[in-house]
Amino acid sequence: DAKTTQPNSMESNEEEPVHLPCNHSTISGTDYIHWYRQLPSQGPEYVIHGLTSNVNNRMASLAIAEDRKSSTLILHRATLRDAAVYYCILRDPLQPRQLTFGSGTQLTVLP
Amino acid sequence: DGGITQSPKYLFRKEGQNVTLSCEQNLNHDAMYWYRQDPGQGLRLIYYSQIVNDFQKGDIAEGYSVSREKKESFPLTVTSAQKNPTAFYLCASRSLSGNTIYFGEGSWLTVV
Repeated sequence: DAKTTQPNSMESNEEEPVHLPCNHSTISGTDYIHWYRQLPSQGPEYVIHGLTSNVNNRMASLAIAEDRKSSTLILHRATLRDAAVYYCILRDPLQPRQLTFGSGTQLTVLP
Repeated sequence: DGGITQSPKYLFRKEGQNVTLSCEQNLNHDAMYWYRQDPGQGLRLIYYSQIVNDFQKGDIAEGYSVSREKKESFPLTVTSAQKNPTAFYLCASRSLSGNTIYFGEGSWLTVV
């Protein structure tokens, strides 16, 4: 599986935007970029995914670099409920194996 | 509501005993997965199954066993051969034609 690199932790102030980076320099042409988040003692929750173009949904936006070697998850207005571990994952839909979750970025939101 | 149900939420096991964690989904998903998570760590794949009566080992299958007799059920047995079984266990499922993985709420297993 192609590897992703994320900072171990980040902090943000409530109601400010948050940009969570992810590097994936060995991404292949068929890999989708997925983001999940996990609250304490809960299963991970899907946030967003994309292939080449930037993507928006009600939870977040995903900005993908033109060379696809990095991406950024954008939370437009952080709330206390956004405090979680955020995982950036690559997945090739043609491969049957499930993708690998690294240790992610622990986001702390300060009131 | 559709979803994945794991049980029990908390389980204590004595050393040398086998224990089975239940995972049931009513999402009509073909693929199901078991992950293990240790404190402060990411998820590691134990086993996965894409179809009934078939399953594959993940990265840390030793000491675990699974079965997939029904599409909606994928139980995980933690055997006495698993040396450090205390962890948070997560079951997940996915439609083979979809991109999104859905997770259960997890099961905490503690060996006492």
